[in-house]
Amino acid sequence: RKEVEQDPGPFNVPEGATVAFNCTYSNSASQSFFWYRQDCRKEPKLLMSVYSSGNEDGRFTAQLNRASQYISLLIRDSKLSDSATYLCVVAGYSSASKIIFGSGTRLSIRP
Amino acid sequence: SAVISQKPSRDICQRGTSLTIQCQVDSQVTMMFWYRQQPGQSLTLIATANQGSEATYESGFVIDKFPISRPNLTFSTLTVSNMSPEDSSIYLCSVDGTGGPYEQYFGPGTRLTVT
Repeated sequence: RKEVEQDPGPFNVPEGATVAFNCTYSNSASQSFFWYRQDCRKEPKLLMSVYSSGNEDGRFTAQLNRASQYISLLIRDSKLSDSATYLCVVAGYSSASKIIFGSGTRLSIRP
Repeated sequence: SAVISQKPSRDICQRGTSLTIQCQVDSQVTMMFWYRQQPGQSLTLIATANQGSEATYESGFVIDKFPISRPNLTFSTLTVSNMSPEDSSIYLCSVDGTGGPYEQYFGPGTRLTVT
C-alpha cells in the first residue's frame, strides 16, 4: 500500500460546480497535512494546511479525519482557473525527510 | 515566502555526462531540499542540504550519483552524474516556509532530458 494515495482523476466538472477530493495515508503517526496545487509544467505551490479542526480559505475547505486516515479538499463555485493537479502531502515524522507527496488528482473545469 | 530561482531551467544532455543544477534563494535558510519529479509522477525527495554539513540522502539516492553542495545559506547545487535516460525528470529545489518545516516553497524546476 502506498503511503499516500489519491485518485488520479481526471475530474472534469463544469464551472460553478462543487468538487471534492480525498487522500488517504497509511501512517497513523503522521502529524502534518497539506494540499498543494501544481499547474501544468509549473512547480507545486502550497494551497493550504490541513488542521485537525479543519480549515477554510475562501472557496476551499480542507478537513482531516484521523480515525479513517484521510484528508479532503472541497472546492466550491469552481472557476476555470482552478484547473490544476492537486497534491496531497503528509508529514510529521521526526525530520523533514518524511514529507510524502501523493501522486496528485487532476482537476479540469470546463466552461 | 522566499523567492527561489534555478538554473538552468531546462537542458538536454547526452548519456554519460553530468549536469549541475543551481538553486538560489533570496533569503538565508537553514535547510534546502532537492526533489525529483519524473514524468507523470509526484515528487520524490532526493536529499536535504544543510549548510556546513553533508547532505542527508533518502533511500534510493546516493551521493556518488547526486552530489550536493551547500556553500552558504542562500545557495545549493545538485549534480546529476553519469546520466542515463532514466534520469530524465524535473528537478526542484525547495525551502521551508515560515509556517514550519513541512510547508515547502519550490523553485521553478529544471527540466532535464537525457538522450
